[in-house]
Amino acid sequence: AQSVAQPEDQVNVAEGNPLTVKCTYSVSGNPYLFWYVQYPNRGLQFLLKYITGDNLVKGSYGFEAEFNKSQTSFHLKKPSALVSDSALYFCAVRDGSNTGKLIFGQGTTLQVKP
Amino acid sequence: NAGVTQTPKFQVLKTGQSMTLQCAQDMNHEYMSWYRQDPGMGLRLIHYSVGAGITDQGEVPNGYNVSRSTTEDFPLRLLSAAPSQTSVYFCASSLRQGWDTQYFGPGTRLTVL
Repeated sequence: AQSVAQPEDQVNVAEGNPLTVKCTYSVSGNPYLFWYVQYPNRGLQFLLKYITGDNLVKGSYGFEAEFNKSQTSFHLKKPSALVSDSALYFCAVRDGSNTGKLIFGQGTTLQVKP
Repeated sequence: NAGVTQTPKFQVLKTGQSMTLQCAQDMNHEYMSWYRQDPGMGLRLIHYSVGAGITDQGEVPNGYNVSRSTTEDFPLRLLSAAPSQTSVYFCASSLRQGWDTQYFGPGTRLTVL
């Protein structure tokens, strides 16, 4: 069965420093991987996805993610964190069905301090 | 374009009461879904629909019903509310399939006493 794990409940970084939010996955077949962000009291917003192609995927708000097949990881990164990046981040993977439902991780809270 | 709208924003129910959470989208999306969000558990899929007249169960369907009579609307019904259904509920839509970019509504915060 497809699954995704986010090993850190919270990540703390200082503004201006690089940030990484970790995600690992388990799938049969080729993985379709996603990152979504949730700002306080809002619904989720799409950040980026990996379907095929380059292992480095660029997304919204300066975020990027690196697909690593050998380590079954899809970590979210940003070179220089902003206080406004503070939010809840979800990694997701497509399940194996024809309808392609998403399976979400439990989420990682990113706290960027000034 | 309003995107995905949900009503109400907040609701308090007593155990055993029923209610319907409304969801509508104006993007002509085929795929719609309902999730519940609980602390430490991420988002769990309740029900989903791949088009008008077609619905199916997700990961946690018990206690919930859905219907999809039009492309635009996808209401979620709680038949007999229980405290375990206290949660934040999100509706989402995407163009055709679940792995297309999903657009989420603002959520409904439900408390069952």
